[in-house]
Formats: sequence, C-alpha cells, structure tokens
Amino acid sequence: AQSVAQPEDQVNVAEGNPLTVKCTYSVSGNPYLFWYVQYPNRGLQFLLKYITGDNLVKGSYGFEAEFNKSQTSFHLKKPSALVSDSALYFCAVRDKISGNTPLVFGKGTRLSVIA
Amino acid sequence: NAGVMQNPRHLVRRRGQEARLRCSPMKGHSHVYWYRQLPEEGLKFMVYLQKENIIDESGMPKERFSAEFPKEGPSILRIQQVVRGDSAAYFCASSPSGREQYFGPGTRLTVT
Repeated sequence: AQSVAQPEDQVNVAEGNPLTVKCTYSVSGNPYLFWYVQYPNRGLQFLLKYITGDNLVKGSYGFEAEFNKSQTSFHLKKPSALVSDSALYFCAVRDKISGNTPLVFGKGTRLSVIA
Repeated sequence: NAGVMQNPRHLVRRRGQEARLRCSPMKGHSHVYWYRQLPEEGLKFMVYLQKENIIDESGMPKERFSAEFPKEGPSILRIQQVVRGDSAAYFCASSPSGREQYFGPGTRLTVT
C-alpha cells in the first residue's frame, strides 16, 4: 500500500531564510510525487511534481523539491521564504505501476513565515 | 479554460437531511475524483469515476454515501441522513487521463 509521511505538523521560518518541508513516501513500484499548497478556505494548488528524470524539480512560486530514491524522500525547499508562503503544504504520491489510481496524501505541514 | 468548479462552496445541513455536492470538471476531462478533508487532516480518497462509471469506490463509506458522473452534467456526491461526523471539506479533482489531477475549491459541509 502507498503511504506518505510528513513528520512535521508545523514549520516556522523567518522571512528571507531558506525553508524545507519534509516528506517521505512508500510505494511498491516507482512513484509519482506531488506537492500541493492550500491557503485558508481555499482548494489545493499544484506546486510541482516528480515523474521521472532530473531529481531536482522546479515548480511554482520559486519552490523546488529533491527526489531521493535511496531515502524515499521528496522534501520541498525554497531558498528565501516570503510571508505570503505561509500556508498548509501537502505531499502526495501515486504508484506509477497502478495506473489511474488516486493520490495518497500526507497529513500536511503548516508553514509559518515570520516577518 | 475554466478550472474545476464546485458548488455550493458552503453547505449547512441539519442532522438527518441530505447533502448534494456538485463538481463540474475542466473541459475535456472525463475523470473525476472525490476527496474528503477532515479538520486538521490531509485529504482522503473517496471515489473515482469516469463518465457514467464508478471505477474505484474503495474510500467511500458503505452507507449513506453515493456518487455519480452522468453522461451530461456535473458529478454529484450525495450524502443521505447526514451526521455531525460528515462535517468536512469535500474536494473534487478532474483529470484528462486519470493521471494529473486538478482540484476544485471545495465544498465545506457543516452539519448542525
């Protein structure tokens, strides 16, 4: 069975500092990996995805994520945090082998960027 | 191309009433997924439909919940005889191929 773990419920970072939001996954085959962001009372917005190829994936709003197969991780990063980045971040996974299966989400990490 | 539309955005029902949540997928998308988000939790898969067919309903509660995606019109998630525990945000996602998913803004159901 597929699963995603986001070990931190909350991440606090000062504006201008680098940020990392952690995600580890478990799938039986090769993964499709995604990051989504949710602002208060809003739906999920797609940030980036890893399907294949380069382990460093660049996405929207200056975010990037690094796929590490040996550590089964897909941490979200940004070199310089903005106050407007404060939101709830979800990591999600699908098993490539399984075809059109639904996404399995982590519980989410609340990012708070302090001015 | 308009995004995924969900309505209503907010729905209040008393215990025992029925709730109907609608999802209009993006143009050209024939795959629809429904997810539920309980307070302070991630999204949990409920059901996956293609036009007129339920493909995977492994996440749906066995009773009171049903979903459809007719040939014409939006996908409907129906909850009969709602209880307080049904209070949640319900998100719909659509896809052209069943792979990349585009999410709607969600419907927040409150059961009083």
